[in-house]
Amino acid sequence: AQSVTQLGSHVSVSEGALVLLRCNYSSSVPPYLFWYVQYPNQGLQLLLKYTSAATLVKGINGFEAEFKKSETSFHLTKPSAHMSDAAEYFCAVTQNEGGKLIFGQGTELSVKP
Amino acid sequence: KAGVTQTPRYLIKTRGQQVTLSCSPISGHRSVSWYQQTPGQGLQFLFEYFSETQRNKGNFPGRFSGRQFSNSRSEMNVSTLELGDSALYLCASSGGQGGYGYTFGSGTRLTVV
Repeated sequence: AQSVTQLGSHVSVSEGALVLLRCNYSSSVPPYLFWYVQYPNQGLQLLLKYTSAATLVKGINGFEAEFKKSETSFHLTKPSAHMSDAAEYFCAVTQNEGGKLIFGQGTELSVKP
Repeated sequence: KAGVTQTPRYLIKTRGQQVTLSCSPISGHRSVSWYQQTPGQGLQFLFEYFSETQRNKGNFPGRFSGRQFSNSRSEMNVSTLELGDSALYLCASSGGQGGYGYTFGSGTRLTVV
């Protein structure tokens, strides 16, 4: 069965500092992996996705993630945090199973001035 | 291109009542999936419809049902509401499977009193 683990339910960084949000997955076959961001009282916005074309994936708003099969990881990074990055971030996996995304528990990112 | 539209945005219902939520996908998308988001359980998959057929279903009781119309619009129904059904209900549409990606609506916030 597939699963996703996000390490750290809350991460706090200073403005301008590196953002690193961790995601590990479990899948018996090559997965499709996603990172979504959710602002308060909003839906989910896709940041980036891994579909096996390239292991380093660049997304919107300066975010990127690297797929590491040996570590079953798909960590999200951004070189320099901005106040507007404060939100909740979700990692998700699917195996092409008819619309079924398995989500991690989410990581709330706080950005201090 | 219009996004995924969910109506209503907010809803307050009484225990024992039933409720219907609506989702209009992105034009041309034939897959619509539904998720429940709560603080305790996180994001959980309810079901997915493709071309008016339920293609996948999560582990929810039979009180949760859905349907999809020929124009791909989808409705979700919850009968005999319980306090624990209070949640943000999110709908996502996709133009394909797996790595194609899923676009989410802003959600319907259901409060059961």
